Amino acid sequence: GDSVTQMEGPVTLSEEAFLTINCTYTATGYPSLFWYVQYPGEGLQLLLKATKADDKGSNKGFEATYRKETTSFHLEKGSVQVSDSAVYFCALGFPHGSGNTGKLIFGQGTTLQVKP
Amino acid sequence: GAVVSQHPSRVICKSGTSVKIECRSLDFQATTMFWYRQFPKQSLMLMATSNEGSKATYEQGVEKDKFLINHASLTLSTLTVTSAHPEDSSFYICSAGRDTHGDTQYFGPGTRLTVL
Repeated sequence: GDSVTQMEGPVTLSEEAFLTINCTYTATGYPSLFWYVQYPGEGLQLLLKATKADDKGSNKGFEATYRKETTSFHLEKGSVQVSDSAVYFCALGFPHGSGNTGKLIFGQGTTLQVKP
Repeated sequence: GAVVSQHPSRVICKSGTSVKIECRSLDFQATTMFWYRQFPKQSLMLMATSNEGSKATYEQGVEKDKFLINHASLTLSTLTVTSAHPEDSSFYICSAGRDTHGDTQYFGPGTRLTVL
């Protein structure tokens, strides 16, 4: 079945360090790929998405490229801030319709801690 | 746009009582909403897919008689935890998709349920 695997955390970095959180997926067909972020005590917020191979999603300095050949969607940021401390979830999904419910399949989440 | 609200944000109840959680899409219509459960420091577990005007689709292992879902309108889905027990204590999160956008879901802020 379809699945998403993320690197285990927690990931601890100093402010202004480079961030990479690895995400790989298994899917039949061509899913859309997402990164969601969850700040402490809150729900999930969409960070970025990509809908087809070689697309790059970007937002707030974060970016991820949909790599079909390696079935990956790694999240990167060049210089993290303390305010980036959160849990990051990689997910895949298929558009609602044509027999798809639109549900998302999540990775296990990676906690990022950024220290001043 | 694409705001999803949940009410209440936090609820404490006694064992044996029932608790209703509301999920509303505030500025868009959603024929499908999703209910997730999240345990501390873990990923989201999809419980069920809520379909407007029809029965919900439950994931394997989720008791439909215990977690009652009603999706009576295009902007409201409710989850009722019946005869709650301490093991039902968790963070419940709903999401809704804007059907015209196909694949992106927008999440509510979550409801923290504590059963004493």
